[in-house]
Amino acid sequence: QLQLQESGPGLVKPSETLSLTCTVSGGSISSGSYYWGWIRQPPGKGLEWIANIYYGASTYYNPSLKSRVSISVDTSKNQFSLNLSSVTAADSAVYFCARYCATSSCYTDGSFDIWGQGTMVTVSS
Amino acid sequence: DIQMTQSPSSVSASIGDRVTITCRASQGISSWLAWYQQKPGKAPKLLIYITSSLQSGVPSRFSGSGSGTDFTLTISSLQPEDFATYYCQQANSFPYTFGQGTKLEIK
Repeated sequence: QLQLQESGPGLVKPSETLSLTCTVSGGSISSGSYYWGWIRQPPGKGLEWIANIYYGASTYYNPSLKSRVSISVDTSKNQFSLNLSSVTAADSAVYFCARYCATSSCYTDGSFDIWGQGTMVTVSS
Repeated sequence: DIQMTQSPSSVSASIGDRVTITCRASQGISSWLAWYQQKPGKAPKLLIYITSSLQSGVPSRFSGSGSGTDFTLTISSLQPEDFATYYCQQANSFPYTFGQGTKLEIK
């Protein structure tokens, strides 16, 4: 059974770079039908999509964050990562990694069907 | 960006009630609409994809409908485990966007 697990610092200083990794277990990140994404949720608020990546390294970013965000994949470790630079308090949130079905061959087309448990990141000095 | 607006923002209902949540897109998204359930401290859980397809393992009391700009999630007979916050999400175009959420509370 496929599982995703986020890891990274829970506290980041303002103006620094937030770095998170998502480890995929129970399946391959190189599955042809899926993208891998990051979504965040500030405390008490709604969900915001950040970015998606395909194992072949095609990337898609939310324009609201594009100047500060990068997503990468390491197929040898079955992991993908998020970097968000120049963080402020507004970037404090629970960060989720998730699997995104991008084709009809994975049937849950257009949705995030498996999620990690989420990791809280606080931006504070 | 496509704005997704859910209504109501919160609703109180009783066990056994039928509940409908609405999601409206600021422009047409064909059938590229998914619904998620989120409980406190947990990750969202996919309920419905492509407007009306039920995710494996999700009870049949959940159903979705709509097309274009107007969509609904219906729970036919509320069960205790259904009290949660529900989000819609469009996948018609980047950036993917979510509704603001509908909190379903016990009356």
